[in-house]
Amino acid sequence: GDSVTQMEGPVTLSEEAFLTINCTYTATGYPSLFWYVQYPGEGLQLLLKATKADDKGSNKGFEATYRKETTSFHLEKGSVQVSDSAVYFCALSDGYNKLIFGAGTRLAVHP
Amino acid sequence: EAQVTQNPRYLITVTGKKLTVTCSQNMNHEYMSWYRQDPGLGLRQIYYSMNVEVTDKGDVPEGYKVSRKEKRNFPLILESPSPNQTSLYFCASSLAWTSGPSYEQYFGPGTRLTVT
Repeated sequence: GDSVTQMEGPVTLSEEAFLTINCTYTATGYPSLFWYVQYPGEGLQLLLKATKADDKGSNKGFEATYRKETTSFHLEKGSVQVSDSAVYFCALSDGYNKLIFGAGTRLAVHP
Repeated sequence: EAQVTQNPRYLITVTGKKLTVTCSQNMNHEYMSWYRQDPGLGLRQIYYSMNVEVTDKGDVPEGYKVSRKEKRNFPLILESPSPNQTSLYFCASSLAWTSGPSYEQYFGPGTRLTVT
């Protein structure tokens, strides 16, 4: 079945460092891909999405490109802030009824 | 304010005591869903509802029931909770669900359930 694999955390960075969180997927069709963010004590919020190959999703300085050839959707940000500390989930839609999530990657950014 | 609300936010209960977690959305969304979040597993879907007439099982439905009597509400029912249902639960909704959708799913704040 469809699945999402993302790098294990926690990821610990200093403020203004470059961030990459790897995400790869397995899917039989052409899924839409998402990054969700979960701040402490809150629900998930959509961070960005891409619906077809080579699309780039971007929001709040974060970017991810839908790479069909490598089945990847890596999340990047050029300069992280303390306020970016959260858990990040990569997900795909199976085209029918649900989102399939990766295990989540915790990011901690220190001043 | 557009939102998904869940109650209670925290619940500690004992094995076998029936409980209900409520979920309500004020966005007139057709689609609603319940997920559970466990460490190292991400979120897994329990049940979903395409509209008030269609409700179906997700990946981990055992031990849970749902009800969709009206569009805005989608309660999760645990008839006889067990310790393996200790988890963080999220309700979500979206405008609709079509094949290859790009409709955003909106999540509630979560309900942390502990079953002893």
